[in-house]
Amino acid sequence: DGGITQSPKYLFRKEGQNVTLSCEQNLNHDAMYWYRQDPGQGLRLIYYSQIVNDFQKGDIAEGYSVSREKKESFPLTVTSAQKNPTAFYLCASSIRGGGNEQFFGPGTRLTVL
Amino acid sequence: AQRVTQPEKLLSVFKGAPVELKCNYSYSGSPELFWYVQYSRQRLQLLLRHISRESIKGFTADLNKGETSFHLKKPFAQEEDSAMYYCALASGATNKLIFGTGTLLAVQP
Repeated sequence: DGGITQSPKYLFRKEGQNVTLSCEQNLNHDAMYWYRQDPGQGLRLIYYSQIVNDFQKGDIAEGYSVSREKKESFPLTVTSAQKNPTAFYLCASSIRGGGNEQFFGPGTRLTVL
Repeated sequence: AQRVTQPEKLLSVFKGAPVELKCNYSYSGSPELFWYVQYSRQRLQLLLRHISRESIKGFTADLNKGETSFHLKKPFAQEEDSAMYYCALASGATNKLIFGTGTLLAVQP
């Protein structure tokens, strides 16, 4: 079940620590996305990138940062500034352009202790 | 404002009964609408999109611009249809998805 992978599956962090979530894809997709999934709230967009070395803030970017140095990789850093980081994080990728299917990774569950 | 509304958190039906999962949207342009599904212990995946007008696993969805709706329907529910269903709207050329809050479909035997 390759295509797009996320690691780790579970992550625990102490308050005040930054943590980086990995997302890798071998689908040759230009576009990549990070979503946060909370119970009862659906998925909300954190950051997205349409091409290497470029990314844009989504609806809930505060307390998060990303980089896109390679086409295959789009890591997400959850900083200590994120007030409520405990959540399920999903990465996705797609062909660039509107209306295209997004392919999702298996997700990372982050728990702040 | 761009928004997707799924009014039902949970929909419980018996096997063989018809299913309709509701989705309404708010979007100023020409919408690109999708249904994504998440089965237990599986990743989120595309079920269908309005532009393809396909029927996938017996599900169909028709875009009604007058009512700004994109309801998902299936005439006879199966137990394997039990899952979380998300309606989503693609925003412009960036393909950002705006998701509804999801509806959990539970098909009882």
